[in-house]
Amino acid sequence: GQQVQQSPTSLVLQEGENAELQCNFSTSLNSMQWFYQRPGGSLISVFYNPSGTKQSGRLTSTTVIKERRSSLHISSSQITDSGTYLCAMENTGNYKYVFGAGTRLKVIA
Amino acid sequence: EAAVTQSPRNKVAVTGGKVTLSCNQTNNHNNMYWYRQDTGHGLRLIHYSYGAGSTEKGDIPDGYKASRPSQENFSLILELATPSQTSVYFCASGDDYQNTLYFGAGTRLSVL
Repeated sequence: GQQVQQSPTSLVLQEGENAELQCNFSTSLNSMQWFYQRPGGSLISVFYNPSGTKQSGRLTSTTVIKERRSSLHISSSQITDSGTYLCAMENTGNYKYVFGAGTRLKVIA
Repeated sequence: EAAVTQSPRNKVAVTGGKVTLSCNQTNNHNNMYWYRQDTGHGLRLIHYSYGAGSTEKGDIPDGYKASRPSQENFSLILELATPSQTSVYFCASGDDYQNTLYFGAGTRLSVL
């Protein structure tokens, strides 16, 4: 079945540093999204990005279909960026998303 | 603003009891989903639906039933709850175009 691998599992940054989160897929993808989750909180969509590069403020997502991977770049990290970032992919057009286990990010002063 | 509301937010159930988790969306989305989230497993899909009257099995449907009586409502039913079903459950909705998922706040279920 479909597998989604995220790396790193966890990451600690000093405020102001940049971060690169990776998501790799075992099958070809039709759709993919990045989500942000605060501890004990719900999931909020950060990017819908099935291909190419998208930017929103300090966040940039790049999806390379041929290489079956997507990345989320966070520049000039802030303490409020702390939380878990999850990627999800769907590969058959059946709207059935499979999630990675997430990357736990902690930004410290 | 897209809205997905789950109830209850917290639930304590006894082993063998029946539990119903409810989800309501005001987005007029066709697709709705139930996931559970456990440490070390991420989110796993239990059931999903393409519209009123339809339910589909996800990746871990055993022990769960789903009901979609209307466009707005999607329920997850545990007929005989077991301690292994202790988890945080999330409902989500998505449209047919991009299918950006909108999640509810989650339900924390403890089965004792």
